[in-house]
Amino acid sequence: QSVLTQPPSASGTPGQRVTISCSGSSSNIGSDAVNWYQQFPGTAPKLLIYGNHQRPSGVPARFSGSKSGTSASLAISGLQSEDEAVYYCAAWDDSLNGPVFGGGTQLTVL
Amino acid sequence: EEQLVESGGGLVKPGGSLRLSCEVSGFPFSYYSMHWVRQTPGKGLEWVSLITSGSRNTYYAVSLRGRFTISRDDAKNSLSLQMNSLSADDTAVYYCVRDQGDPSRSFDLWGQGTMVTVSS
Repeated sequence: QSVLTQPPSASGTPGQRVTISCSGSSSNIGSDAVNWYQQFPGTAPKLLIYGNHQRPSGVPARFSGSKSGTSASLAISGLQSEDEAVYYCAAWDDSLNGPVFGGGTQLTVL
Repeated sequence: EEQLVESGGGLVKPGGSLRLSCEVSGFPFSYYSMHWVRQTPGKGLEWVSLITSGSRNTYYAVSLRGRFTISRDDAKNSLSLQMNSLSADDTAVYYCVRDQGDPSRSFDLWGQGTMVTVSS
């Protein structure tokens, strides 16, 4: 079982706005920033959002992140077919002295 | 081009050992902390180990129980992971990962991964 909790699946139609939640505890999300990764089949994860809401260079603005208390969310607006991937949240865990991940959310574009 | 290339994966018997390597190019390796992260179909992504710049500090997932050792050779732009007493639970794709260095300790560069299979 993953330390951070994500829904196993999410879906939306092209152009829609979709959100993916990530729930943790006071030792991880509650005290440290959240990062999000995007992974396509057969490839390594790619950094999508870091520091709760910052986008690396090259990541479209329609990807956004937020955090409140011990939960975080990834929002994708203007959904596109190429957004179909697995999305993982992650945060440093102070009690484990290392990062922890969510179980991943498979996003399907209908 | 910034690149991480893992090698050393393969099939190993339970109780055996394996040494993974990660060759780094395209950026000043010595400045960055580096991690190993593994991924299994059943357990998803799991952090394995961290080594800070200058090899000042090393950290490991508690579940590893001292079986793995991370090291780096800044002169050779190389990161390693020595894995001992392997079990089926260690079967996974192992990624070499760069720590961006921001307060959130995000992973901004990943290798392609190397598969480790522990089976008799």
